[in-house]
Amino acid sequence: KAGVTQTPRYLIKTRGQQVTLSCSPISGHRSVSWYQQTPGQGLQFLFEYFSETQRNKGNFPGRFSGRQFSNSRSEMNVSTLELGDSALYLCASSLALENYGYTFGSGTRLTVV
Amino acid sequence: GEDVEQSLFLSVREGDSSVINCTYTDSSSTYLYWYKQEPGAGLQLLTYIFSNMDMKQDQRLTVLLNKKDKHLSLRIADTQTGDSAIYFCAPAFIAPGAGSYQLTFGKGTKLSVIP
Repeated sequence: KAGVTQTPRYLIKTRGQQVTLSCSPISGHRSVSWYQQTPGQGLQFLFEYFSETQRNKGNFPGRFSGRQFSNSRSEMNVSTLELGDSALYLCASSLALENYGYTFGSGTRLTVV
Repeated sequence: GEDVEQSLFLSVREGDSSVINCTYTDSSSTYLYWYKQEPGAGLQLLTYIFSNMDMKQDQRLTVLLNKKDKHLSLRIADTQTGDSAIYFCAPAFIAPGAGSYQLTFGKGTKLSVIP
């Protein structure tokens, strides 16, 4: 059974550019969440999607956005990149959080220069 | 919002037991998870406990929950060098106005196992 797949694994972007990250959840999982991991702030919740609807959003500026497609694949977009956006972005999918928790992908390492 | 505190480092000898502690602030947390992260990897779900339980055992792992004190611990028996990693405590709660659960993670405890 394939796990959560995130692409690309590594990305280098310049300040001011925009970036799109992709996440393919485990087959059958309809909930997809995104987290940002940095050495200083740790793991912070970005947003969660279920059946193409954003159900929950963390405390991030509007430059961070996401969407989910009908096949449950999800993308997140960061516009006008800042140096502080350099982080590991983790995607997680779940069948039912209550019973199974989230399964995380390996992440996309974004470096902004 | 939820705050989760963990000690940052723990060092144990191979074969000993490791105990990683976590305190949290939101008493409405219903599900509490432990995740493991190895270098360069994502998070691996280790185990979880529901808030109506005091203890859960899963092979070498034992989770203890003191709901009154909002204290969660993870005990790893017979710790091996392969257990060296960062361990995250992550209570799940529903934020006000939110339509689903979200996890709040502690900063993680780096476990080092000495051979």
